[in-house]
Amino acid sequence: RKEVEQDPGPFNVPEGATVAFNCTYSNSASQSFFWYRQDCRKEPKLLMSVYSSGNEDGRFTAQLNRASQYISLLIRDSKLSDSATYLCVVNPGGGNKLTFGTGTQLKVEL
Amino acid sequence: SAVISQKPSRDICQRGTSLTIQCQVDSQVTMMFWYRQQPGQSLTLIATANQGSEATYESGFVIDKFPISRPNLTFSTLTVSNMSPEDSSIYLCSVEEPPAGELFFGEGSRLTVL
Repeated sequence: RKEVEQDPGPFNVPEGATVAFNCTYSNSASQSFFWYRQDCRKEPKLLMSVYSSGNEDGRFTAQLNRASQYISLLIRDSKLSDSATYLCVVNPGGGNKLTFGTGTQLKVEL
Repeated sequence: SAVISQKPSRDICQRGTSLTIQCQVDSQVTMMFWYRQQPGQSLTLIATANQGSEATYESGFVIDKFPISRPNLTFSTLTVSNMSPEDSSIYLCSVEEPPAGELFFGEGSRLTVL
């Protein structure tokens, strides 16, 4: 089982739609979790950290389910500019470095 | 968050040559990280560059192929040695923000080896 798994997509959605991505992780001791956004030919940029209680930033909501070992990202009212690859990132702790998922590609269309 | 500058942003190189990528951070950081992102793949950590000591390499990466320098707390270089087409990739420099450990990246260096 991969350390971090994501559905690669692509998810093609119309503008204004709500879309959700899930990500599972294998190490139950993982300590912190992030969603990054990567535009084509650009570096990954931190979108949001994921807290145990769940957190929201505008149209974006991130949730963590430790029992099932997955995190989710919900995007409401999708914009064309949301088109990108979304990377799930897990910090396994214990001095180990961040582990990146392969990313989920989102395409928002008119 | 730290501002990270990398250069070159892109280069096309011949097989068998070497290329050195530079990474400059606008603040002092203890550790700097070098990642590789091959076409269509996610990020893979190459090594951690520690100031004042040798870099720590991940499994599958060796110092002879990817020598790293870390002369001070704001600068590091990664050299890709004796390049082959399989080294064609984006190389990314990053730093960690405590306490949660989020990573922030430079703009990346896109390398194409012919």
